[in-house]
Amino acid sequence: SQQGEEDPQALSIQEGENATMNCSYKTSINNLQWYRQNSGRGLVHLILIRSNEREKHSGRLRVTLDTSKKSSSLLITASRAADTASYFCATGGGSNYKLTFGKGTLLTVNP
Amino acid sequence: DGGITQSPKYLFRKEGQNVTLSCEQNLNHDAMYWYRQDPGQGLRLIYYSQIVNDFQKGDIAEGYSVSREKKESFPLTVTSAQKNPTAFYLCASSVSGEPQHFGDGTRLSIL
Repeated sequence: SQQGEEDPQALSIQEGENATMNCSYKTSINNLQWYRQNSGRGLVHLILIRSNEREKHSGRLRVTLDTSKKSSSLLITASRAADTASYFCATGGGSNYKLTFGKGTLLTVNP
Repeated sequence: DGGITQSPKYLFRKEGQNVTLSCEQNLNHDAMYWYRQDPGQGLRLIYYSQIVNDFQKGDIAEGYSVSREKKESFPLTVTSAQKNPTAFYLCASSVSGEPQHFGDGTRLSIL
């Protein structure tokens, strides 16, 4: 079963604009992770936020986590054409290392 | 370079045939995973292994089999019992509680 649900399913913006993607999940988690996937490639880890954290930054990425609402958001600032990819949230909940992935947001950044 | 190598990149299966997808990692990770990705969808977990000689079924294990005889290797066999095998298969590895590292996938098609 897929726990995370990203919103929107697709997002198209111009270079230089900010992109915000949201993720909702259903059960309690230990951490939430965001991954990026370029077309036809494997996933690349972007950022991990633990359940006791509310916000985390990494370069142009900002992730927030609201455990009371069971939701997270990924903000990419000053987007570039190279940011064009699918973005997935994944939740981890136990000692068995398993992650549950959402269906992803397809981000297109137009030059 | 440390990483995960999946081979082949493309694979074709005839009706009634078993095929094996290779996954090798030199990251010294204990845990390894196999995911299936269908077009426009997220990742669904097929099997995972936390240690050598042990593995557990994921959400969609029917029609698939795995082995974990070495820490570095986690091959996936798509058996003839899997009636809809056409998909993109991704292998990943991790250490406990840390993000997963992915290979670049194998695309399986039916002849």
